[in-house]
Amino acid sequence: KNEVEQSPQNLTAQEGEFITINCSYSVGISALHWLQQHPGGGIVSLFMLSSGKKKHGRLIATINIQEKHSSLHITASHPRDSAVYICAAKSGNTPLVFGKGTRLSVIA
Amino acid sequence: DGGITQSPKYLFRKEGQNVTLSCEQNLNHDAMYWYRQDPGQGLRLIYYSQIVNDFQKGDIAEGYSVSREKKESFPLTVTSAQKNPTAFYLCASSPQGAGANVLTFGAGSRLTVL
Repeated sequence: KNEVEQSPQNLTAQEGEFITINCSYSVGISALHWLQQHPGGGIVSLFMLSSGKKKHGRLIATINIQEKHSSLHITASHPRDSAVYICAAKSGNTPLVFGKGTRLSVIA
Repeated sequence: DGGITQSPKYLFRKEGQNVTLSCEQNLNHDAMYWYRQDPGQGLRLIYYSQIVNDFQKGDIAEGYSVSREKKESFPLTVTSAQKNPTAFYLCASSPQGAGANVLTFGAGSRLTVL
């Protein structure tokens, strides 16, 4: 079974800072998801990627298949980015395996 | 708009009672999932269903039961056998069974045992 590890567990940043959240997994995957969970609990999908890099606004996700590692970057962070960020790995025909999440707080 | 509706949002239960959490989707998705989330832990899979009238246990199925009588609905019953049921429960769906890469989540149901 795939093991998904995220770091850091908690992160506090000043508004405007560049933020990086890391995710590593133990076995080969078909896709890696980045999700965002706001304090109310609902989860939205940010990215799904299997190679290279994707960008949406101030968010950038990268993946290195050989190193089994993915990063989520937030440029020019803002207090509204405060949330829990979760990575999840997809292997074969099995359900997603989730990391424990990184709690981000951006202070104005 | 298409999406997943979970109800109730908050639920309180006395020990020894069974409770059922509702999950309805109008996305025409084939697969549906129930996850449990506890503080400091990742989402853990309780049950999933890829087609109507079929479902599989996830990693933590003990003390829970499900049914999939309709494509749109996948209710979860938390039974009295579940020793520590207080948690946040999330329902999700995907379009092509467990192999699909797209996952849509409901807003969640928070269960508290008094």
